[in-house]
Amino acid sequence: GAVVSQHPSWVICKSGTSVKIECRSLDFQATTMFWYRQFPKQSLMLMATSNEGSKATYEQGVEKDKFLINHASLTLSTLTVTSAHPEDSSFYICSARPDRGRTEAFFGQGTRLTVV
Amino acid sequence: DAKTTQPNSMESNEEEPVHLPCNHSTISGTDYIHWYRQLPSQGPEYVIHGLTSNVNNRMASLAIAEDRKSSTLILHRATLRDAAVYYCIPVARGDKIIFGKGTRLHILP
Repeated sequence: GAVVSQHPSWVICKSGTSVKIECRSLDFQATTMFWYRQFPKQSLMLMATSNEGSKATYEQGVEKDKFLINHASLTLSTLTVTSAHPEDSSFYICSARPDRGRTEAFFGQGTRLTVV
Repeated sequence: DAKTTQPNSMESNEEEPVHLPCNHSTISGTDYIHWYRQLPSQGPEYVIHGLTSNVNNRMASLAIAEDRKSSTLILHRATLRDAAVYYCIPVARGDKIIFGKGTRLHILP
């Protein structure tokens, strides 16, 4: 149990285009999902917390108009990188926390985004 | 957020036990101690978590100091597949999960 599926695993896009990444909790409901990015040889950096049915909460320094997060259902959250630039190339990772008062979270396999 | 201190890296021989330490002296009384690990080019994987008592699961054991200012993740018999970065993270109920630098564990065949 507790599987989080992230799609796509990797994507290459041209500068100026937008890319959507999906994060699904397959066998549990998640009111809360988290989005991270990770640069090579660095730790994960939390970008935003996504709550089902409400606006995401972004961490300081993360542009909410550039990284659009939608959490439309209890099993799906999406991250859209708008007007992508080469500096947005990174490893994006989502995680989902099961409801019912649990504190642990489960992570997707990550999406490698390359902007050319 | 509670600050954690972990060794940058550790080495262990295959098939031997590994003890990964973590100091979290500023932990709140209601923070759970979580451990995650990240294998190369993958998302993190939940390992174990606890509050006060020691915990065991199929992956590892978690030993929590009586004053809760430190904890140790124990891998009972390391394999090459356990080579990863291990993160110790205090987490309050309902709060976000913030990653530190973790410990890079090398397993020697």
